[in-house]
Amino acid sequence: AQSVTQLGSHVSVSEGALVLLRCNYSSSVPPYLFWYVQYPNQGLQLLLKYTTGATLVKGINGFEAEFKKSETSFHLTKPSAHMSDAAEYFCAVITGFQKLVFGTGTRLLVSP
Amino acid sequence: DTGVSQNPRHKITKRGQNVTFRCDPISEHNRLYWYRQTLGQGPEFLTYFQNEAQLEKSRLLSDRFSAERPKGSFSTLEIQRTEQGDSAMYLCASSVGRAPIEEETQYFGPGTRLLVL
Repeated sequence: AQSVTQLGSHVSVSEGALVLLRCNYSSSVPPYLFWYVQYPNQGLQLLLKYTTGATLVKGINGFEAEFKKSETSFHLTKPSAHMSDAAEYFCAVITGFQKLVFGTGTRLLVSP
Repeated sequence: DTGVSQNPRHKITKRGQNVTFRCDPISEHNRLYWYRQTLGQGPEFLTYFQNEAQLEKSRLLSDRFSAERPKGSFSTLEIQRTEQGDSAMYLCASSVGRAPIEEETQYFGPGTRLLVL
């Protein structure tokens, strides 16, 4: 069954530093991968998604992710963190049964 | 485009009571999804509708749970005889519904937070 694993329940960075949130997937078929962000008391917002084609995917708010089949990874990065990036980030994969399966999430903390 | 709305935003109930949540999808979105999110976890799929037809149900959706989408517009999720384990955030999402699910973006509402005492 398809699944995703997010390494690190919390990641702390300083404002202006590189953001790296890790996601590894397990899938027996070519995966469709997503990153969502959730701000407190709000629903989830799509940051970016990988379906087919270019392996480097650019999303909103300066985030990007690279699909690496050899490493079964889809890590999320941003060159320079901003205070407003503090939120919970979820990696997700579409399963063969066409359901979104989410990871457990990574809380990003940004300090001044 | 007003986004996906959910009501109520918060619900506190006593064990054994029935509760009903409502989701209004983005206008003209044909697919509607329900998820449950517990503390420290990612959302878990419960069920989804294509127009008024309920096409998929998770094993998480016990007999106490029922979802409807009359006329293919808003949807309701009812939980009968609530248990403390039902305490969670219930999220609704919608998508256009004219392409394969994996190619579509699901737009999420703010959720309904349920606390069962």
